[in-house]
Amino acid sequence: ILNVEQSPQSLHVQEGDSTNFTCSFPSSNFYALHWYRWETAKSPEALFVMTLNGDEKKKGRISATLNTKEGYSYLYIKGSQPEDSATYLCASYNTDKLIFGTGTRLQVFP
Amino acid sequence: DTGVSQDPRHKITKRGQNVTFRCDPISEHNRLYWYRQTLGQGPEFLTYFQNEAQLEKSRLLSDRFSAERPKGSFSTLEIQRTEQGDSAMYLCASSLVGSAYEQYFGPGTRLTVT
Repeated sequence: ILNVEQSPQSLHVQEGDSTNFTCSFPSSNFYALHWYRWETAKSPEALFVMTLNGDEKKKGRISATLNTKEGYSYLYIKGSQPEDSATYLCASYNTDKLIFGTGTRLQVFP
Repeated sequence: DTGVSQDPRHKITKRGQNVTFRCDPISEHNRLYWYRQTLGQGPEFLTYFQNEAQLEKSRLLSDRFSAERPKGSFSTLEIQRTEQGDSAMYLCASSLVGSAYEQYFGPGTRLTVT
């Protein structure tokens, strides 16, 4: 049984703070790891798809790393802005489906 | 907008009623997935189609749930005799077979059963 876990469950930060979240997943039979950003009333938006051990991806102020041997991924946000407020979901792809963690809810205060 | 669309966005129904949701995938995508998110949980897989064939169903999908994709384009998810425990966000996603790990999501249908 696959179990994807995320921490923390929620995070409140001030504008300008940098922050990071953790996703852990079973390392056996790994195929791909996704990070999604989900804002209220919108579709979950794909941030990164990562497949290779040691992979590091960046999009603006957001970056992610992947360790498939130990089964974890970090998402970093540098200089958080109020528009970064959302739920960040990670998901491991396994046998044609995504297995999601419970998400980290980020709130950035001006 | 050429993304995944879902209708309705919100549905409030009384316990015991039947409800049906629709999902329109990205037009060239041959795979279509249904997920459900309940309070405090991440989305959980329900079922998926490749073209019109339903290839897998989760144990979460009780006999009261049925999904169809009759022409390999849009899909419907019907819940019969709704229960309060069915209250959730129902998400649809689509992908190409060759890159099935890249799934694009719709905005979801939020179901509230009173």
